Amino acid sequence: EDQVTQSPEALRLQEGESSSLNCSYTVSGLRGLFWYRQDPGKGPEFLFTLYSAGEEKEKERLKATLTKKESFLHITAPKPEDSATYLCAVQGEGAQKLVFGQGTRLTINP
Amino acid sequence: DSGVTQTPKHLITATGQRVTLRCSPRSGDLSVYWYQQSLDQGLQFLIQYYNGEERAKGNILERFSAQQFPDLHSELNLSSLELGDSALYFCASSATGTRGAEQFFGPGTRLTVL
Repeated sequence: EDQVTQSPEALRLQEGESSSLNCSYTVSGLRGLFWYRQDPGKGPEFLFTLYSAGEEKEKERLKATLTKKESFLHITAPKPEDSATYLCAVQGEGAQKLVFGQGTRLTINP
Repeated sequence: DSGVTQTPKHLITATGQRVTLRCSPRSGDLSVYWYQQSLDQGLQFLIQYYNGEERAKGNILERFSAQQFPDLHSELNLSSLELGDSALYFCASSATGTRGAEQFFGPGTRLTVL
């Protein structure tokens, strides 16, 4: 069964303090690994898709990387508006459903 | 704005009742997915439809059912509601493709069962 574990559960940073969020996964044939951002009471907002080990994607202060067992979401010089829950999900071979981790709740203090 | 719309935004009802949640996918997307998000379970896949046909089922209760109509909008029907059904229900849509296609989520329907 496909599984996703995210760490830490919560992370509090000062504005400008860079860090990384971890997503460990087990899946039978990875079709894609997805990162989403979710604000309280809102729907997940798509950020990145990664397909194979070694792949990297960037968007503003965020960069996602992928290995065969885990993905990292690096956040550089974050701002308070980056505060949100970040969700990681995998899609296994032969399936189109997403299996989500529990998320990392990120808080950036000004 | 993802382009996926869901109605209603909030729903408050009593145990034993039946409700219908509605979703319109992004223009051109043929696949619709339903997910349930609760505090203790996180985001859980319920069911997928593709161009009107059921494609995959997750941990969807027998009291729940869904369908996708010819205009591609989808409805999720929840019956004999229990307190534990209180959650956020999200619809997502995606284009077809051989590789992992991104799913775009709607704003959700918050269901409260009293």
